[in-house]
Amino acid sequence: QKEVEQDPGPLSVPEGAIVSLNCTYSNSAFQYFMWYRQYSRKGPELLMYTYSSGNKEDGRFTAQVDKSSKYISLFIRDSQPSDSATYLCAMPNDYKLSFGAGTTVTVRA
Amino acid sequence: DAGITQSPRHKVTETGTPVTLRCHQTENHRYMYWYRQDPGHGLRLIHYSYGVKDTDKGEVSDGYSVSRSKTEDFLLTLESATSSQTSVYFCAIGEGTGGRGSTEAFFGQGTRLTVV
Repeated sequence: QKEVEQDPGPLSVPEGAIVSLNCTYSNSAFQYFMWYRQYSRKGPELLMYTYSSGNKEDGRFTAQVDKSSKYISLFIRDSQPSDSATYLCAMPNDYKLSFGAGTTVTVRA
Repeated sequence: DAGITQSPRHKVTETGTPVTLRCHQTENHRYMYWYRQDPGHGLRLIHYSYGVKDTDKGEVSDGYSVSRSKTEDFLLTLESATSSQTSVYFCAIGEGTGGRGSTEAFFGQGTRLTVV
């Protein structure tokens, strides 16, 4: 079993919809939870990170962590075509990052 | 791209030939990483370095070697390329534990390698 599981999708939504992405993990020692965004043929870039359980909001993006269920989520409100990308969850583990498979999102205009 | 340059950006090579990919950083970060990205697998760590001449294996290190003789350069070598090593390779840099304590990594643009 992989340490971090993520449904690869793909996910296609109309412009303005709420996008919901999630990951599960197995290592209860994980404390930091990150979301990377990767545009086509580019390297991933850090979008958001959270520490421990709870919510964090940044503009149209909300990250949630439920450590009791080992489950993290990313919500994108009022999605735009420019949000079309692959979203990868990641968790630091001994100075390295363990990534989920990534979910490819397409927002249709 | 946080001062990271990967070269070459694209390469086609034949099975059995050695291949070296280069990652160069201008940020003076201590940690450097090589990942490969394949559909359905996300990013998988091949090798990483935590200082000059200090390297360690990741989860998919078989068939790969690395070297870091200078802080700014991290080389990934495929000793004898196989078709299963066709992939997109990403170099990343970081401080291991930054001010956020989050092990944020900054990625290069990637190298698309095809082994025929």
